[in-house]
Amino acid sequence: DTAVSQTPKYLVTQMGNDKSIKCEQNLGHDTMYWYKQDSKKFLKIMFSYNNKELIINETVPNRFSPKSPDKAHLNLHINSLELGDSAVYFCASSHHRTVDYGYTFGSGTRLTVV
Amino acid sequence: QQQVKQSPQSLIVQKGGISIINCAYENTAFDYFPWYQQFPGKGPALLIAIRPDVSEKKEGRFTISFNKSAKQFSLHIMDSQPGDSATYFCAASISGTASKLTFGTGTRLQVTL
Repeated sequence: DTAVSQTPKYLVTQMGNDKSIKCEQNLGHDTMYWYKQDSKKFLKIMFSYNNKELIINETVPNRFSPKSPDKAHLNLHINSLELGDSAVYFCASSHHRTVDYGYTFGSGTRLTVV
Repeated sequence: QQQVKQSPQSLIVQKGGISIINCAYENTAFDYFPWYQQFPGKGPALLIAIRPDVSEKKEGRFTISFNKSAKQFSLHIMDSQPGDSATYFCAASISGTASKLTFGTGTRLQVTL
């Protein structure tokens, strides 16, 4: 009955590989996000989708490509992984386009690039 | 450019004491200010939030104080408990736009016995 679930929880991969992280929410929310938390715990938004429409795309390298097949799912594909991509990636969801109702975050995917 | 500045970076408080975390923002268009709590290995969870039309909001042991003229807001945790030990993030956003929370840098709180 997890509200926002991400898989995998841990991901260790070599430089240059391509990897994907999946996210699903069962809250009926219409907006989903990807946030990156770096080693200093700083949280920064990467992307936001509302009903499968991309509405926020921060200055993220083109190697990162989000995909939302429906409003309950938001996946993140990363090409040609670099050491600097190592971080914890959080998926989140909310209701409506505004944040008034608060975000619900998943438990995160810890990505380690070696 | 860090639009939301948070202090202190870390805080140690004795059980039963008051924990105070401060945030300052630059963008006067911000009109929603939530606080999130994050435990190790977990995602941030919404704790309490305030809008600038009120100066204080209280939920249980957690209180947000808001000073619009100073562009500052703070989280007070009364009667701090060891279970409150976590990382706390302030955040800010602008209503009516595409959702985008701008987070502070986080405060690691440790409540000792």
